[in-house]
Amino acid sequence: ETGVTQTPRHLVMGMTNKKSLKCEQHLGHNAMYWYKQSAKKPLELMFVYNFKEQTENNSVPSRFSPECPNSSHLFLHLHTLQPEDSALYLCASSQVWDVNNEQFFGPGTRLTVL
Amino acid sequence: RKEVEQDPGPFNVPEGATVAFNCTYSNSASQSFFWYRQDCRKEPKLLMSVYSSGNEDGRFTAQLNRASQYISLLIRDSKLSDSATYLCVVTGTGRRALTFGSGTRLQVQP
Repeated sequence: ETGVTQTPRHLVMGMTNKKSLKCEQHLGHNAMYWYKQSAKKPLELMFVYNFKEQTENNSVPSRFSPECPNSSHLFLHLHTLQPEDSALYLCASSQVWDVNNEQFFGPGTRLTVL
Repeated sequence: RKEVEQDPGPFNVPEGATVAFNCTYSNSASQSFFWYRQDCRKEPKLLMSVYSSGNEDGRFTAQLNRASQYISLLIRDSKLSDSATYLCVVTGTGRRALTFGSGTRLQVQP
């Protein structure tokens, strides 16, 4: 059973909507990540938070806005998305932000933008 | 050139077969290497790290060739439950960033 949960699991939204994705980890980790996985493309790192501080923004468009109120919760706020933003959005966590720390992934939110 | 390249497959093998996947990476400064496994419509999970001297975990063996910039994963005595997509992962441009390959799909058949 994964220690990282994500809600909602599925989301369909129009281009003018505003929605938020939520991630919660129960592992006592200090680093959290957002990844995007599009069909037939590799996972792309979007954002990294380490001890609640954003430490990486991988040139993500401003229509994606992350928020990390504490080490256990991570949000991704979405507004005026494009159809090409449809993808699986995965949250992950690790003990700290270091590649030698195993990353644990949540089940993802499958997003469809109409 | 992609940072991490994998043969997408699918590799269709019978139960009990031995199968090997290769992965090449472009960043010669990469220091850490991993194989993750992703089941259909599920999240990725760490399968094993890859060490310079090679390492084994049960039926799985991982090798690293720094000179040629590739890593490999060997699965012996394939089980039906091994059917999944195997993701090659290396450290990216920044030491703390992971770069994922697109994955190689394995289908083990009875």
